[in-house]
Amino acid sequence: SQQGEEDPQALSIQEGENATMNCSYKTSINNLQWYRQNSGRGLVHLILIRSNEREKHSGRLRVTLDTSKKSSSLLITASRAADTASYFCATAHSISNFGNEKLTFGTGTRLTIIP
Amino acid sequence: SAVISQKPSRDICQRGTSLTIQCQVDSQVTMMFWYRQQPGQSLTLIATANQGSEATYESGFVIDKFPISRPNLTFSTLTVSNLSPEDSSIYLCSVDLRRRNTDTQYFGPGTRLTVL
Repeated sequence: SQQGEEDPQALSIQEGENATMNCSYKTSINNLQWYRQNSGRGLVHLILIRSNEREKHSGRLRVTLDTSKKSSSLLITASRAADTASYFCATAHSISNFGNEKLTFGTGTRLTIIP
Repeated sequence: SAVISQKPSRDICQRGTSLTIQCQVDSQVTMMFWYRQQPGQSLTLIATANQGSEATYESGFVIDKFPISRPNLTFSTLTVSNLSPEDSSIYLCSVDLRRRNTDTQYFGPGTRLTVL
């Protein structure tokens, strides 16, 4: 399987603390994306980082990418109860000459924020 | 963002029957993707559906079990055939909105299937 690995599998922290999740993958990628899923519902796209980028910020989110180690991390600062969800990384791979990509998802991290 | 709807949102089916899931997008898209998410697990790509051509299936998934239709640029169906309890999962469709200068995929709300 080419599925990426995420760690930790589960993470519980107090509200206001920072949460860090890690993702490792196996093959070269076009970009890496992070998604959030609340209680088995649809996925919400959080942030995308391209293979030639090393760090990206979006609000309270910070993503890093190390292509030499084939790994990425997602940092959520000043966590809130509403951040409780499952977080998935997904690596994008080209499947056509027109720029279309398919995603390979990591195993996911279940984040619980304790009020 | 795109509006993607799926029908049904959930269903309970008997073993041996089939379920067809519909995915409708509010704009024309080249590629649509079907994923399976087994309970407590991550998403696994089942197949990629291009309009006007046969779907491309990932390793471990076959057309006889998961036939896909893609009759036009805004619609696709996934059928899960000869159901068994192991098929109990959430099935999600997604679209590649490259024409909107975004690299991201947008996901439908999912169809929760329970097989008894």
